[in-house]
Amino acid sequence: GAVVSQHPSRVICKSGTSVKIECRSLDFQATTMFWYRQFPKQSLMLMATSNEGSKATYEQGVEKDKFLINHASLTLSTLTVTSAHPEDSSFYICSAILQGSYEQYFGPGTRLTVT
Amino acid sequence: DAKTTQPPSMDCAEGRAANLPCNHSTISGNEYVYWYRQIHSQGPQYIIHGLKNNETNEMASLIITEDRKSSTLILPHATLRDTAVYYCIVRVASGGSNYKLTFGKGTLLTVNP
Repeated sequence: GAVVSQHPSRVICKSGTSVKIECRSLDFQATTMFWYRQFPKQSLMLMATSNEGSKATYEQGVEKDKFLINHASLTLSTLTVTSAHPEDSSFYICSAILQGSYEQYFGPGTRLTVT
Repeated sequence: DAKTTQPPSMDCAEGRAANLPCNHSTISGNEYVYWYRQIHSQGPQYIIHGLKNNETNEMASLIITEDRKSSTLILPHATLRDTAVYYCIVRVASGGSNYKLTFGKGTLLTVNP
C-alpha cells in the first residue's frame, strides 16, 4: 500500500519558537495532502488542505499565519507552527491522496510538546 | 457529508468476531461508507469502504443494510492488536473538497485475552 511518512515523530520546543513538520509520500505522488490535529482523547480535526503548487485552504478557526503550510512538490508538504505556545501541544497527522484516486493514506503522526 | 453514530466503546474476546455498528440514516445516494481505525498514538489506517454491496478484504467485512442507513464492520477473528478506535465515515467518492474526511468520535474496541 501507499506509504506516508512524517518527520519528526516527536518534537519538544520552547514557547515562542517555530517548529516544522514534514509529510512525505514515499512511493506515490500526491497532489493533495491534509493536515489534522488531535488533542488527547479527542478525534482528529482537519486543519487545512494542501494542494501542490497553490495556497493551502484552511478550515474555519485555524490561523493561517500561525500554521504555515507549504506543498512545493508532489511528494512533500510541510507544516510550520510559528511562535508556538503550550496550547499548540498536540498530535499532528498528515494524509495524502494518491494521484488519480480518492483514497487518503495517513502518516504516523508527530507529537508536538511546547514547554 | 452525512453524520454517523457509533457506540463509544465495545469489548470483544480474543479470537471471536467483533461486530462494530454504525448508523448513517441521512446518507445520500452517492455517499460511500468508509471505515478507518486508529491504534493509540498512530495515524489512522484505512480498513474498507463500500457503497451498497457487502465488501470483504483481508482485514474485515463490511455489511451495509439494504436501505443503507446503517452498516456493520466485522473483524472475523479479533486479536489483541485490533484494539483501536474505529471510525465510520460517509462521504462522496469524488474530487475537490469531497476528499475531506470528517472524523467523529468513533468506537473504542478493546480486545481482551
